[in-house]
Amino acid sequence: EVQLVESGGGLVQPGGSLRLSCTASGFTFKAYWMHWVRQAPGKGLVWVARIKGDGSSISYADSVKGRFTISRDNDKNTLYLQVSSLRADDTAVYFCARDGHYSGDGFDLWGQGTMVTVSS
Amino acid sequence: SYELTQPPSVSVSPGQTASITCSGDKLGSRYVCWYQQKPGQSPVLVIYQDDKRPSGIPERFSGSNSGHTAILTISGTQAMDEADYYCHAWDTTIVVFGGGTKLTVL
Repeated sequence: EVQLVESGGGLVQPGGSLRLSCTASGFTFKAYWMHWVRQAPGKGLVWVARIKGDGSSISYADSVKGRFTISRDNDKNTLYLQVSSLRADDTAVYFCARDGHYSGDGFDLWGQGTMVTVSS
Repeated sequence: SYELTQPPSVSVSPGQTASITCSGDKLGSRYVCWYQQKPGQSPVLVIYQDDKRPSGIPERFSGSNSGHTAILTISGTQAMDEADYYCHAWDTTIVVFGGGTKLTVL
């Protein structure tokens, strides 16, 4: 089955860190750009970061630059997001998403999301 | 930074046509995608490359993009189409989402 499964979320204190994981199955993981998108409770979708299939190109939203790190292990078919220096406004469901092969293809596969709650 | 603007809410009667707009500077020169998200669920891609439907998306969903505005149109709207809808475009290496539109089928 073609799917993405996130894990690693939880409750963390302000200033703390977590590593989120997204395990892919059913498709050639290394062939795709992958993204992290987050959604605060009751709010809209916000793009966080992206990484090319071979890991050679990475981009971040300004709001997380310097605090979050996206990476991938193609041997393990797994995408990661290291989240550090967490703040209350980082509280959100974090989704991983697969980008299509061509420009404008969109995010055609999403995980179920993992919740990160930043609170003391 | 690039911004996409959507109306917060749109209402439509069952069987009628719903139009959801997404506005941005010279948006017509960029590809736009649309996502549907129902409560408690992950987003689902309903339109890509401005006007293409992924496999499994009903024909009543269509899209257009010109000038500064992209439009998602749902013809013959059904109760099951009630959801939040988000537009999405690229700004060089950055991805941008619109703020989302809650579609209510009255």
